Amino acid sequence: GAGVSQSPSNKVTEKGKDVELRCDPISGHTALYWYRQSLGQGLEFLIYFQGNSAPDKSGLPSDRFSAERTGGSVSTLTIQRTQQEDSAVYLCASSLTSGSTGELFFGEGSRLTVL
Amino acid sequence: RKEVEQDPGPFNVPEGATVAFNCTYSNSASQSFFWYRQDCRKEPKLLMSVYSSGNEDGRFTAQLNRASQYISLLIRDSKLSDSATYLCVPTGEGGSYIPTFGRGTSLIVHP
Repeated sequence: GAGVSQSPSNKVTEKGKDVELRCDPISGHTALYWYRQSLGQGLEFLIYFQGNSAPDKSGLPSDRFSAERTGGSVSTLTIQRTQQEDSAVYLCASSLTSGSTGELFFGEGSRLTVL
Repeated sequence: RKEVEQDPGPFNVPEGATVAFNCTYSNSASQSFFWYRQDCRKEPKLLMSVYSSGNEDGRFTAQLNRASQYISLLIRDSKLSDSATYLCVPTGEGGSYIPTFGRGTSLIVHP
């Protein structure tokens, strides 16, 4: 497809387990962002990749969260030892250039529920 | 101070009504803005870009007031399908800028 693809669309896990969320951005987009959105809340920035530059990890809430972007394309967000407060929709977005000038295209999100 | 502030609403209007809501921003250097809409349990999608004093696209008009640092969105002849949350996002400078999304303004259009 031509849009941003995220998987899984839904993930239910038990507290303490690790989860991996995947994002496949639009081909050619150099910028990739991860946000999360809790019910009724705004989007919370997590991490930003721009080309080959070091990622901006300033939004990651704890060291249980990490992300990689391989080959400047697919990104994986990993949450270790999940907690109930990690339950949210995790949204990935890509942009042709940086978000300072370009529109962000979002995937449909991965809904994480931690029991 | 938050980068953008919006009245969360909800704005509850009948079909056919005209409705407007504002977004105030703190960074006077912001040159342009995006309005996104987010339907319930969906991802945000771009509604309009505002690069100068304003923009008009069909029933939607955005106006930028740099002196007072706010941007407004006017929706004329509201449709049921306009029901969504509207998010104001300023652009920034440099490749390290992170777009900030607030809670937005909720609009409910009823029959």
